This record gives sequence, structure tokens and C-alpha cells, in this order.
Amino acid sequence: QVQLVQSGAELKKPGSSVKVSCKTSGGSFSRYTINWVRQAPGQGLEWMGGIITHFATTKYAQKFQGRVTITADKSTSTVYMDLSSLRSEDTAVYYCTRDLSTTTWGHAFDLWGQGTTVTVSS
Amino acid sequence: DIQMTQSPSSLSASVGDSVTITCQASHDIGNFLNWYQQRPGKAPNLLISDASNLKTGVPLRFSGSGSGTDFTLTISSLQPEDVATYYCQQYDDLPSFGPGTRVDF
Repeated sequence: QVQLVQSGAELKKPGSSVKVSCKTSGGSFSRYTINWVRQAPGQGLEWMGGIITHFATTKYAQKFQGRVTITADKSTSTVYMDLSSLRSEDTAVYYCTRDLSTTTWGHAFDLWGQGTTVTVSS
Repeated sequence: DIQMTQSPSSLSASVGDSVTITCQASHDIGNFLNWYQQRPGKAPNLLISDASNLKTGVPLRFSGSGSGTDFTLTISSLQPEDVATYYCQQYDDLPSFGPGTRVDF
């Protein structure tokens, strides 16, 4: 059974960067897209961007352009999300999620990681 | 950008009630709409894709309908495990979510 397993909670200072990992276990790494969706405390879901793992093609939400980088390591079946210039508003739970489509961004997020809490505080 | 709205923002119902949540898109998105359930403290879970296709394993009391700009999610007989926040999500453009509808008793 395929699972997405994310790295642990992070506490970061304003202005620093965070790198969150998402490892695919129990199934093929290729032929789908891994996306990142975040949720600030008490708030809704926000799509940040994604990567087509087979081709390493990325797409980012306008809001995060220039601040987020999503990469994939096929050798370890792991996707990384790097967010820089952190501010307090970036405090959130960050989820990775799988989309079986590689032609339409966000076609259906059918599998989710457990979430990683990132806290930005001085 | 396509903006998504949902109503109501929250509702209270009783076990066995029929519950309807609406989602509206700022532009015509055809049937490019999904519904997710998020139980407290958990990751979201896909319920319905393409406006009306129930994901395998999701109880039949959940159903979705609509096209264009107006969509609905219906829970025909509310169960205790349905306490959650429900989100719509469009994918006609880069994906975006509605603000959510909280359902409780």
C-alpha cells in the first residue's frame, strides 16, 4: 500500500529557510505528481505547487514564486519542498499529496502525507 | 485566478439529517471540481472527483452534483463520523480551494 511519509516538525527563525521531505513508500515513484498544500492554524487549504516526478517538471502558485522550490530524488523516492525567507505567516501544517494526473495540475489529490508542522518564531 | 466560495461556512445538524453544502466558482469550470473531507487533526481525504464521481470506498451517502459555476455536496443521512470540514477544489486553472464548511452536531 502506497504511503507518503513526511519529515518531522520544524521550528525556524524569521528570514531562514525550511526543507520538508515527502517519501513515497510501498509503490512506484514515477508516473504521477506530488503537490504541496499548506494549512495555517484554523485556516483553509492553500496549494503551493507541485512536481511531475518522472520529468521533474514543476509548477508553483503565483503567491510563492521565487520563494518555494520543489525537487525530486528518484533514487530515494523522495520529494522536497524548500521555502525561503520565512515569516510568521508561514507558520502552518504542510502536506504533500499525490495526484495521479501528469497533464492537469490538481486533477485529484487522492493520497496525502501526515503533515509537517512548521513554526516560524523568533 | 479562479476564486471559490462555499456556503454555509458552518452548520449544525442531527444524526440522520440530509446536509447540503454549496460551492461556487468565479468562472465556468465545467466539471473540474473535487470535494474533500478533513476530520479534526487529520489530513484531507478525497471524497468526490470531477464534480460527481465518488471515490472508491467512500460511503454512498455522499454525492456531488453541478457544473459550470455552481456545485453541491450532499450527505444524505449524516453520521457521527461525518463531523469534519468539507472543501471544494477546482482544477480548471491552477488548483485552488474553497474556504471550507464545518459540519458538526
